[in-house]
Amino acid sequence: ETGVTQTPRHLVMGMTNKKSLKCEQHLGHNAMYWYKQSAKKPLELMFVYNFKEQTENNSVPSRFSPECPNSSHLFLHLHTLQPEDSALYLCASSQEGAVSSYEQYFGPGTRLTVT
Amino acid sequence: RKEVEQDPGPFNVPEGATVAFNCTYSNSASQSFFWYRQDCRKEPKLLMSVYSSGNEDGRFTAQLNRASQYISLLIRDSKLSDSATYLCPRRENTGFQKLVFGTGTRLLVSP
Repeated sequence: ETGVTQTPRHLVMGMTNKKSLKCEQHLGHNAMYWYKQSAKKPLELMFVYNFKEQTENNSVPSRFSPECPNSSHLFLHLHTLQPEDSALYLCASSQEGAVSSYEQYFGPGTRLTVT
Repeated sequence: RKEVEQDPGPFNVPEGATVAFNCTYSNSASQSFFWYRQDCRKEPKLLMSVYSSGNEDGRFTAQLNRASQYISLLIRDSKLSDSATYLCPRRENTGFQKLVFGTGTRLLVSP
C-alpha cells in the first residue's frame, strides 16, 4: 500500500542535530496530519493542515516545526530535540468537506530516536 | 476521565473464537467513530467506520450505542492474523478534525 508514504523510516539524531521528516500522500486528499506515538501512550495529534493552511497546533513545542508546501506534501522539521521526543511519528491524510467520511489514512511512520 | 477508554487486554482467544471489545467515550458532542488495527511497530490501519445503524464487513461487526456512549467491535471466527491492537478513535463532526485515541485493546489469537 503506498497511499501515504513517509521518509525516513528510521532516524537516530543527537540533541544538537537538525533533521526533517517527509510525508507524501497519493490519495488526492486535502488535509494532512502529524501524530506522535510514544511507548505505552495513545496517539497524540500534533498538527493539522487543511488546504495547506495550518488549522491546529496541539500545544507542540517550537522545536517541532511543520511545513506544508502543497496538499500532497508535509514536512516536520526537527531541531534541538530531547530524548523524550523519541517516538513513532505518523503522518495521516483525509478528505475533508461537506460530504466526507472523515476517514484518516496513516503512513508507515518514522521511528525517531534522540540520543 | 479519559475521552476514550478501552480495556488494554490482552484478550487471549483460540482460533475460531468470537471476541468482542467495547470502547467508551465521555464527550457527547456530535462525532464520528472508527475502528483501526495496529500491528506491532506499524501504523494504524483503518478497519471500518462505525455507523449509527451498525455495520458489518465480513467477520467484523461494529455497533454504536450513543445513549450509553460506547462502540463495540465483534470479530467472528478469529484468525491468527487478527492478533493486533485495536484502536477506536473518535472525532467531532464540527470544528477540529483531530482523532482522539485511547490506548487500544490488544488481541492475541492462538492456534
